[in-house]
Amino acid sequence: AQSVTQLGSHVSVSEGALVLLRCNYSSSVPPYLFWYVQYPNQGLQLLLKYTTGATLVKGINGFEAEFKKSETSFHLTKPSAHMSDAAEYFCAARKQGQNFVFGPGTRLSVLP
Amino acid sequence: GAVVSQHPSWVICKSGTSVKIECRSLDFQATTMFWYRQFPKQSLMLMATSNEGSKATYEQGVEKDKFLINHASLTLSTLTVTSAHPEDSSFYICSASEGARLTGRADTQYFGPGTRLTVL
Repeated sequence: AQSVTQLGSHVSVSEGALVLLRCNYSSSVPPYLFWYVQYPNQGLQLLLKYTTGATLVKGINGFEAEFKKSETSFHLTKPSAHMSDAAEYFCAARKQGQNFVFGPGTRLSVLP
Repeated sequence: GAVVSQHPSWVICKSGTSVKIECRSLDFQATTMFWYRQFPKQSLMLMATSNEGSKATYEQGVEKDKFLINHASLTLSTLTVTSAHPEDSSFYICSASEGARLTGRADTQYFGPGTRLTVL
């Protein structure tokens, strides 16, 4: 069965520092990959997704992610963290015709 | 575009009563809707998948008689928690997926804002 892992349940960065949230998937066939953000007591908001084509995907709020097939990874980055980026981030994978598989989530804290 | 709403956003009920949660896709037709449950500081747990006009497909361990799902139209799905107990207290989130591929959104799930259920 496909699985998604997120290294680091909690990541803290200083405001203005680089944000790096890690995501790896287990699949011989590259799935579609997604990053969602969840603010407290809210649903999930799509940040970006990779289906086919360019491996560097740009999303909302200055986030981007790069699909690396050789590393089965889809890490999320942002050059400069903002206080408003503090939230829970979920990586998800989906093979065509199958349900989403979510990672356990990474809580991002941004320190002033 | 691709907005999903949920109602109510929070509900408190007494043990033994039933609660209905609505999930609506506001600007697209959702051929498939999903219901998730989320415990504090945890990831989402898929409860069931519903396709418009069909019976829902429940995940293993989810009681279909307790969590009734109806997907009567392309824009509305409902989850009814029957005879609620305190252990049913949780954050319930729905998501919707668009069937048409022309918009490029068919492979993506769009989430509602969630419903916080507290059973006393």
